[in-house]
Amino acid sequence: SQQGEEDPQALSIQEGENATMNCSYKTSINNLQWYRQNSGRGLVHLILIRSNEREKHSGRLRVTLDTSKKSSSLLITASRAADTASYFCATVGFSGNTGKLIFGQGTTLQVKP
Amino acid sequence: DVKVTQSSRYLVKRTGEKVFLECVQDMDHENMFWYRQDPGLGLRLIYFSYDVKMKEKGDIPEGYSVSREKKERFSLILESASTNQTSMYLCASSFSWDRRTYEQYFGPGTRLTVT
Repeated sequence: SQQGEEDPQALSIQEGENATMNCSYKTSINNLQWYRQNSGRGLVHLILIRSNEREKHSGRLRVTLDTSKKSSSLLITASRAADTASYFCATVGFSGNTGKLIFGQGTTLQVKP
Repeated sequence: DVKVTQSSRYLVKRTGEKVFLECVQDMDHENMFWYRQDPGLGLRLIYFSYDVKMKEKGDIPEGYSVSREKKERFSLILESASTNQTSMYLCASSFSWDRRTYEQYFGPGTRLTVT
């Protein structure tokens, strides 16, 4: 079952611009994660934000979480051509004691040089 | 660095064949996962394992089975491959959820085509 929904589905920007991707989810979460996938490859974990956190930074990445709106955003600042990839949000719920991830459909980002 | 490897990057099989996809991780992770990824459907969990010889069904287990005889290795088996199993298959691993770390580490994927 898919919980996260990313918006937009596709984004095209120029190098140096900022890219913002949004994720909405339906049920209460323990944490939310963002992953990147280069074309035809596996996913790479980028950042995790816990339900009691509102903002987190990692290098050029900034993630926000609004649990009242059940949404998160990923901001990539000063984008580079190498940031071209698909980005997925994934949530971990509270049900049981498992940390299974539920992925959204992803946002495809193209950064033009 | 965590390394998750998958036995093949590309695989072409015929309908009805038995297919084995293997995944090995080198980080002593307790949990291992198999997903399939299809355009418009995202990543869907097929099976996961939280310990040797332990397995649990994910969202779409039909037509698949798994085996985990050793901690580092998790195999996905298609008992009788069908064309609707043509997909990208991704293996992942993570530490036990008791550790309260939830990041998953993915292999490069196997693109399986069933003809």
